[in-house]
Amino acid sequence: KAGVTQTPRYLIKTRGQQVTLSCSPISGHRSVSWYQQTPGQGLQFLFEYFSETQRNKGNFPGRFSGRQFSNSRSEMNVSTLELGDSALYLCASSQQSRADTQYFGPGTRLTVL
Amino acid sequence: GENVEQHPSTLSVQEGDSAVIKCTYSDSASNYFPWYKQELGKGPQLIIDIRSNVGEKKDQRIAVTLNKTAKHFSLHITETQPEDSAVYFCAVSDGGNAGNMLTFGGGTRLMVKP
Repeated sequence: KAGVTQTPRYLIKTRGQQVTLSCSPISGHRSVSWYQQTPGQGLQFLFEYFSETQRNKGNFPGRFSGRQFSNSRSEMNVSTLELGDSALYLCASSQQSRADTQYFGPGTRLTVL
Repeated sequence: GENVEQHPSTLSVQEGDSAVIKCTYSDSASNYFPWYKQELGKGPQLIIDIRSNVGEKKDQRIAVTLNKTAKHFSLHITETQPEDSAVYFCAVSDGGNAGNMLTFGGGTRLMVKP
């Protein structure tokens, strides 16, 4: 089976812009979770989607949003970018949504100038 | 909320030696404990996981032990090899209302010297 794929792999934006990142889960997986990874804060949970519904949300401002489509693919959006949003954004997929085994994609490296 | 502490933050061992990384957590309701390995430029890769109804799990050179009473779990790597060099993360989930949300430790940079 193909693994989790994320596009684009690298992205450079300027402050105030918005960005959309995409994640395709492993075939058959219905849950997609997003995480932000930075040197200072480590790996932090953003949100999880399961069967097109947001299951849970981490402690991030409303500028961070996401959605999931009927084919389980997911997108996350960050509006009004700030310098501090520079990070590696990781998505992980799993079959179910109850402490299920999660498999991570390679991530999207976002740089905000 | 859940708090996960991971030690040490860096670990240097000689090839062939064993490496041990420890994590403690705060929420007694936590019941799922995965370990991930992250190499430079890649996403975290699941290497082993354990659930609360099991005290120990082993997969070749890798083992994880869990002490629910003390709320800590450890990763043991035996016969380390240079390709084991990476950053290792422990994580915790309670699987209830939190769904699949993982709370991660701060990471351990493991360096295996040939």
